[in-house]
Amino acid sequence: ETGVTQTPRHLVMGMTNKKSLKCEQHLGHNAMYWYKQSAKKPLELMFVYSLEERVENNSVPSRFSPECPNSSHLFLHLHTLQPEDSALYLCASSQDIGDPADTIYFGEGSWLTVV
Amino acid sequence: GQNIDQPTEMTATEGAIVQINCTYQTSGFNGLFWYQQHAGEAPTFLSYNVLDGLEEKGRFSSFLSRSKGYSYLLLKELQMKDSASYLCAAMDSNYQLIWGAGTKLIIKP
Repeated sequence: ETGVTQTPRHLVMGMTNKKSLKCEQHLGHNAMYWYKQSAKKPLELMFVYSLEERVENNSVPSRFSPECPNSSHLFLHLHTLQPEDSALYLCASSQDIGDPADTIYFGEGSWLTVV
Repeated sequence: GQNIDQPTEMTATEGAIVQINCTYQTSGFNGLFWYQQHAGEAPTFLSYNVLDGLEEKGRFSSFLSRSKGYSYLLLKELQMKDSASYLCAAMDSNYQLIWGAGTKLIIKP
C-alpha cells in the first residue's frame, strides 16, 4: 500500500457532470496538496492545506472546489469542467509546509478526461 | 518571473552514463529537488541539494551550483528501469516549489 492513495485512478466526465476526486494519506502528515499535471508542462500547484486549513489557492477556477475534512483526507470536487481541464491530478502530502527538508510524497494520480 | 528549464527528452544506452541538466531562476532559493516519475506512476523523491557541490546516492548523483542557477542529475550504469521522466524543482523564498516540465529519459538496449 502506498503512503498516498487516490481514487478513482481514471475518470471520464461530461462538461455538465459533478464528480469528486479523493485522496487519503497514511503517513501522519499535516500538509496536503492538489497538483495538476498536463503533458509536457510543469506541475501546477492548485491548493495547499495545512492542518485542514487552506493556505494556498493559486488562482484556480471555481469549477474546482477542494475539501479537507481532516488531515488524512482531501477531496477535489469537480463541476462544469472544460475539455482543457483534462489532465492528471496528483495529490501529495508532507509533514508540514515551509520546511525544505520535508519530502513531498505523491499519490499515483487520477487521470481525468472531460468530454 | 520564476522559471525552470530542462531538456524535454534524452536518449541513452543501457550501461552508460547520462547527465540531465536543469537551470533555474527563482525569487530566493531554498533548495533544488529531483523527482523520478515512471509512466502512470507517482513522482518519487530522488534528491535535495541546498549547498553547492555533488551529492552521491548509489548510481544517482545530483550537483548544484547556486551562483550559476544550475543543477544536474547524473545517472550511472543505466538500467532499463531508469526509463522515466525526471522532474527538477526549485524552492523559492516563500517555500513554494517551482517545477520544470520534466525530462523524459529513454534507455535503449
